[in-house]
Amino acid sequence: GESVGLHLPTLSVQEGDNSIINCAYSNSASDYFIWYKQESGKGPQFIIDIRSNMDKRQGQRVTVLLNKTVKHLSLQIAATQPGDSAVYFCAETTTSYDKVIFGPGTSLSVIP
Amino acid sequence: DTAVSQTPKYLVTQMGNDKSIKCEQNLGHDTMYWYKQDSKKFLKIMFSYNNKELIINETVPNRFSPKSPDKAHLNLHINSLELGDSAVYFCASSQVGYPLFFGPGTRLTVL
Repeated sequence: GESVGLHLPTLSVQEGDNSIINCAYSNSASDYFIWYKQESGKGPQFIIDIRSNMDKRQGQRVTVLLNKTVKHLSLQIAATQPGDSAVYFCAETTTSYDKVIFGPGTSLSVIP
Repeated sequence: DTAVSQTPKYLVTQMGNDKSIKCEQNLGHDTMYWYKQDSKKFLKIMFSYNNKELIINETVPNRFSPKSPDKAHLNLHINSLELGDSAVYFCASSQVGYPLFFGPGTRLTVL
């Protein structure tokens, strides 16, 4: 399940299940969105991105969905593996500007 | 080959000291950043430089002074360190409109 509060939101899933991580972004002018994965002790690592002229983009085992109407982004991970355990961040920006704003992050824990 | 590198990886120091963190990228990117990550994992942008020029300064105390000698380097100098400066500091680089590439982070602990 997922919990939100003062602590980092946590999502626990069984190995092999699909994971969905949600993100609400703040700026309606943002037109470029990125998902990052941060493993313990490492820097955030790019997973997948999507521009505002699309509502869905697929990568290897990952899919990003964008709903501009409600300013919502989601990351779907298929057949979640123990190596997917990490903190996942969504980020928003505009393609003409240097400022990239990160969401609060969601900790994904995969149960073997 | 590391794309974005930072030194040192760990920094432990006393309150009131001055310290620097160095960052280098070999990706040929025009833009470099400093982000601060607190204990709750929240990533907050501090500075952004484009071709050695300061673009973003996010109300960071003036004890923090970034310096970009060339577009491949962005260093962060911190004067009079305070307890609240303890965090993980990440350097990143990008081309505008493309993903950021992050360094491995520098964990700063102020005692």
